[in-house]
Amino acid sequence: DTEVTQTPKHLVMGMTNKKSLKCEQHMGHRAMYWYKQKAKKPPELMFVYSYEKLSINESVPSRFSPECPNSSLLNLHLHALQPEDSALYLCASSQGGQGSGQPQHFGDGTRLSIL
Amino acid sequence: AQSVTQPDIHITVSEGASLELRCNYSYGATPYLFWYVQSPGQGLQLLLKYFSGDTLVQGIKGFEAEFKRSQSSFNLRKPSVHWSDAAEYFCADTGTASKLTFGTGTRLQVTL
Repeated sequence: DTEVTQTPKHLVMGMTNKKSLKCEQHMGHRAMYWYKQKAKKPPELMFVYSYEKLSINESVPSRFSPECPNSSLLNLHLHALQPEDSALYLCASSQGGQGSGQPQHFGDGTRLSIL
Repeated sequence: AQSVTQPDIHITVSEGASLELRCNYSYGATPYLFWYVQSPGQGLQLLLKYFSGDTLVQGIKGFEAEFKRSQSSFNLRKPSVHWSDAAEYFCADTGTASKLTFGTGTRLQVTL
């Protein structure tokens, strides 16, 4: 069982919908990450939160909005997505802040489909 | 910029045979190196990591990897592959200790 929990596992939404992806970890990790993964490709980094502050935004379109309410939770708010945004969205966490070099632990992801 | 290369896109081995997956990194200083495995529909699971010290690293599921600075390599090995090892394998590094850079992945197929 993964120690990083992502909900929902699957999400289908229209281009005008607003939805949120959720990620939770209780390992005391201080860095949390969002990745996007297309089929047969490696994960692409989207955002990094370190000590609950946004530290990296990889030039992600504003239709993706991250939020870190506390050290255990990470959300990704979605609005007006495009069909090309269909992908597996992975959350990860690591001990210590971003830059510590500690391994990242991944959740099982949310499979997102945009109609 | 740092990069990670996995030369083999797809490898097929027979169950019980040995396995070696290749990984080369470009970062000049000693990198932090990782191997992850991803089964279909799943997230990434950490197999092993190298930070410093002993260049032969033992991981979970019977995997090991050897760091060779002279070859800029961090190849993953397993002496006897099981059918359940069929998955996508990613090598990754955080040479600057800030962002995880993944290789393009190697898909392992195991024949019975």
